[in-house]
Amino acid sequence: AQSVTQLGSHVSVSEGALVLLRCNYSSSVPPYLFWYVQYPNQGLQLLLKYTTGATLVKGINGFEAEFKKSETSFHLTKPSAHMSDAAEYFCAVSVDNFNKFYFGSGTKLNVKP
Amino acid sequence: GAVVSQHPSRVICKSGTSVKIECRSLDFQATTMFWYRQFPKKSLMLMATSNEGSKATYEQGVEKDKFLINHASLTLSTLTVTSAHPEDSSFYICSARTVLLAGAGANVLTFGAGSRLTVL
Repeated sequence: AQSVTQLGSHVSVSEGALVLLRCNYSSSVPPYLFWYVQYPNQGLQLLLKYTTGATLVKGINGFEAEFKKSETSFHLTKPSAHMSDAAEYFCAVSVDNFNKFYFGSGTKLNVKP
Repeated sequence: GAVVSQHPSRVICKSGTSVKIECRSLDFQATTMFWYRQFPKKSLMLMATSNEGSKATYEQGVEKDKFLINHASLTLSTLTVTSAHPEDSSFYICSARTVLLAGAGANVLTFGAGSRLTVL
């Protein structure tokens, strides 16, 4: 069975500080991993994805994530938070040749001025 | 890039009526679409996988007679909530898998903006 765990439903950082959003997964097969962002009253937008190759993946808006198989993790980071980064972030795993996508419970990021 | 349009964005209906939500892929063909339900402070719950020209595959615990899904063309999938009740009130989101796009756009989900259903 596949599952995605996001530690911390709310994370608050100051503008300019490091952003770290945690994601751990369990999968019986090698997973494909994604991070999506959701702004209020909008659909989800893809930030980045890992399928194969380099384990450090760079996405849009300065975000990046590293796939660590030994830790079954795919944490999302950004060196310096911006006010516009305030949103809800979802980690997702895809299996069955991209025929199934499962999401974590989301982490709401608050950026303080 | 890939765009998915979902309509209506908000709908309010009386208990017992049926509501149809449309999901369209605007600039690509979507053989597979997914319907999610998002509960407050909770994750997206996969309801069903919709494949063009065939019956939808429902996740365990989702009533197929309550949530009718039709995927009649490569660009349109519909979700009909039949005989809606207040407990069906939720945020419903559709997404399409971008299989045919190349590069970074391949095999990702593109989401519609969601439909907020309120059943009185």
